[in-house]
Amino acid sequence: SQQGEEDPQALSIQEGENATMNCSYKTSINNLQWYRQNSGRGLVHLILIRSNEREKHSGRLRVTLDTSKKSSSLLITASRAADTASYFCATRRTSGSRLTFGEGTQLTVNP
Amino acid sequence: DVKVTQSSRYLVKRTGEKVFLECVQDMDHENMFWYRQDPGLGLRLIYFSYDVKMKEKGDIPEGYSVSREKKERFSLILESASTNQTSMYLCASSSRQPNEKLFFGSGTQLSVL
Repeated sequence: SQQGEEDPQALSIQEGENATMNCSYKTSINNLQWYRQNSGRGLVHLILIRSNEREKHSGRLRVTLDTSKKSSSLLITASRAADTASYFCATRRTSGSRLTFGEGTQLTVNP
Repeated sequence: DVKVTQSSRYLVKRTGEKVFLECVQDMDHENMFWYRQDPGLGLRLIYFSYDVKMKEKGDIPEGYSVSREKKERFSLILESASTNQTSMYLCASSSRQPNEKLFFGSGTQLSVL
C-alpha cells in the first residue's frame, strides 16, 4: 500500500494565491521528498526534508514536517499559471531504502 | 544538464508481443528504477538495480523482467504484453549516497491492444 497520501486530490486556485498540499504517512520515516509532474512528463524533485527537520524553504516553496502527526505540507506562495502540475510526496523509511510515492495532488492555477 | 532518457514517448503493442523499454542515464548513477503510473494508484515500483547486473524486485514485478548490462542503461522487458500493462512507465536514477533524490525520464506511455 502507498506510504504517502496527498490531500486534497485536486486543488484549483487563482494566480497570485497560495496553494497548500498535505501529505500523510503511516510509518516512521528517514526523510520526505516532494516532486512535481507536468502533464504527461516525468517527475522533477522539488525539496527534501529530513525527519529531524521541521521546516524548509526553497524559493516560493515551503515544506513543513510534523513527525508526531506523520504529516507534511507543501506551500507554494504567489502561485503562477506555470505551477499547474501534479505534486507528489515520497517517503523513505530508513536511510538508503527505496522511496514510496503517494497518489498526488493535481494543482490548477488559473490565470 | 543531467539527463535520463527513455527511448520512446509513446508505444503501441499487441497482446502477446515482447516489449522492450529502454532507459539511459548520463550521470554515472549506481541506482536505477522502473515505475509504472496509473490514475488513482500513483507510482508503483516494478524493479530496481543498485549496480550492473544486479536487480531487485519492487512491489509489482509480475509480468516484467529487467536487464542491466551496463551502468548507464536499464531495460524493462514485458515478456508477453497484456492489456493490463497499458500504463505510463517511468525510469529514474539516483546516486548511491543515502537519501539522494531521484532523476526521472520523461516517461513512455505504453498501450497494449
